[in-house]
Amino acid sequence: AQSVTQPDIHITVSEGASLELRCNYSYGATPYLFWYVQSPGQGLQLLLKYFSGDTLVQGIKGFEAEFKRSQSSFNLRKPSVHWSDAAEYFCAVGGSGGSNYKLTFGKGTLLTVNP
Amino acid sequence: SAVISQKPSRDICQRGTSLTIQCQVDSQVTMMFWYRQQPGQSLTLIATANQGSEATYESGFVIDKFPISRPNLTFSTLTVSNMSPEDSSIYLCSGSRRRQETQYFGPGTRLLVL
Repeated sequence: AQSVTQPDIHITVSEGASLELRCNYSYGATPYLFWYVQSPGQGLQLLLKYFSGDTLVQGIKGFEAEFKRSQSSFNLRKPSVHWSDAAEYFCAVGGSGGSNYKLTFGKGTLLTVNP
Repeated sequence: SAVISQKPSRDICQRGTSLTIQCQVDSQVTMMFWYRQQPGQSLTLIATANQGSEATYESGFVIDKFPISRPNLTFSTLTVSNMSPEDSSIYLCSGSRRRQETQYFGPGTRLLVL
């Protein structure tokens, strides 16, 4: 069965500092990987996705993520965090192809940004 | 990306009652899904809404509790039946062009059951 682990429940960074949010997945074949962001009181917004090809993917709002098959990881990074980045971040894996395809989410990482 | 809307955006309901949530997607979407996000938790897939036929439910979710309709390609409803406080959650609708493509989410419906 596929699964996603986000080891950090809550991360606090200062504005302007760099950010890395960790995501590890379990899936037997090449997964489809996603990062979503949920701002307070909002739905989920897609930040970026990996299906195949270049393992470093660029997303919106200056975020990027790197797929590392050997480590089963898909960590999200941003070089300089803005106060507006404070939100909850969810990593998700899609797998079990064909009619059984489903998206499995991690438990999320809450990001707090200090001024 | 797809445009997905939901209503109501939030509601407070009494136990024992039912609430129907509506989801409207744009024409790019062919697949529609319903998720539940319990307080402080991640998202859990409730079911896939199938056009013109019964929804496909995930383990732990049953049609009697969460009846779903999808009368046409761009519209679906989820009913939360005979509610209890444990049903207090955010319910999200999502859509994708195909099952294995990117899912886009609606803004969610925040439900509080007293």
